[in-house]
Amino acid sequence: DSGVTQTPKHLITATGQRVTLRCSPRSGDLSVYWYQQSLDQGLQFLIQYYNGEERAKGNILERFSAQQFPDLHSELNLSSLELGDSALYFCASSVASAPNTGELFFGEGSRLTVL
Amino acid sequence: GENVEQHPSTLSVQEGDSAVIKCTYSDSASNYFPWYKQELGKGPQLIIDIRSNVGEKKDQRIAVTLNKTAKHFSLHITETQPEDSAVYFCAASATGGGNKLTFGTGTQLKVEL
Repeated sequence: DSGVTQTPKHLITATGQRVTLRCSPRSGDLSVYWYQQSLDQGLQFLIQYYNGEERAKGNILERFSAQQFPDLHSELNLSSLELGDSALYFCASSVASAPNTGELFFGEGSRLTVL
Repeated sequence: GENVEQHPSTLSVQEGDSAVIKCTYSDSASNYFPWYKQELGKGPQLIIDIRSNVGEKKDQRIAVTLNKTAKHFSLHITETQPEDSAVYFCAASATGGGNKLTFGTGTQLKVEL
């Protein structure tokens, strides 16, 4: 158990809908990262928050947004969903602000299926 | 931005044999190279990492080598066991490099009895 909690584990929805994925980082970790994992593209970095502030942005679509709350949990909002958004969404956390300073601890992911 | 290429995409070995997975990176500023193991239904987990001031690092049956000149690094697993079967991801990150950890596309390792 990594200590990172993601909910829901599975989510099935229709095209055009909006969903929210939730992540609780390990106790004491200030950084939260969101990654998208699809079959043919590996782990794609979406966005990172550190202590409530956006720290880095990757290949995140404009239809997607995220935030980190004062209690350090994070939410990833996906809107106007398309079939291609079906993927496994991972949250990871770490103590430091930079990913090259130590281990990222990954949750078990939220599997999104868009029909 | 950084681009990490990983080969092979699938690897099948006999139990007890060695397995080698190779990655190349594009950003010469990258200085941190972790390897993650993802078991079925779970999130990736760090198994070993190496920094650019070191050429090789070993932890029991796992070793990683780094060639900064050629911009490639490799994961070596010796005496493979069935529990080594998983997807392995290499990654690279640079200090100040947009604060991103870029992953390779993964290698599905299967250790056969």
